[in-house]
Amino acid sequence: DTGVSQNPRHKITKRGQNVTFRCDPISEHNRLYWYRQTLGQGPEFLTYFQNEAQLEKSRLLSDRFSAERPKGSFSTLEIQRTEQGDSAMYLCASSSTGPRTAFFGQGTRLTVV
Amino acid sequence: AQTVTQSQPEMSVQEAETVTLSCTYDTSENNYYLFWYKQPPSRQMILVIRQEAYKQQNATENRFSVNFQKAAKSFSLKISDSQLGDTAMYFCAFLEYSGAGSYQLTFGKGTKLSVIP
Repeated sequence: DTGVSQNPRHKITKRGQNVTFRCDPISEHNRLYWYRQTLGQGPEFLTYFQNEAQLEKSRLLSDRFSAERPKGSFSTLEIQRTEQGDSAMYLCASSSTGPRTAFFGQGTRLTVV
Repeated sequence: AQTVTQSQPEMSVQEAETVTLSCTYDTSENNYYLFWYKQPPSRQMILVIRQEAYKQQNATENRFSVNFQKAAKSFSLKISDSQLGDTAMYFCAFLEYSGAGSYQLTFGKGTKLSVIP
């Protein structure tokens, strides 16, 4: 499978716990996006990497959220001290250099109880 | 910041008929890219069609075509010969260069399309 891979697919956590999600982009893609999507809504941009550099970060991304892409390959998104409002689908997408089409993974569904 | 507006939260169409989904956007840039993505109930976002703003010719992919009106900032999706498998959320998305090597991809809120047998 050469598509974008996200793990885990589902995560249930208690409020106040930390969670980490992983995204493996398509191997030759140097751009990587994270989005959050709540039920019935469009994806909301969270952050963007080009190689290992985090070039953009949404104001939606509070200081409880952090993302890394240490070697310009896979990326992780960590949420600290989770809140019920963090419950959503977290989507990862990757694209190659330039104004290329972004390809999405299947997402990680987070439920905070 | 750019905005993407999809004014039809829900639509339905009879199988084999044609349906058009609307999208408008706001930008001051001249070079940008537009996309329609489909998200079936399994929830993986799939690219349907892509349009470069510098191209006057409307993009077509089999049963899917767009009507791109650059001056009006309008980008509608036409689905011909609708099939049951077309039932999904459809998102309009806008990609533009935001400086320092960065591209911003912004989505609309989506249109839920139901194809009725």
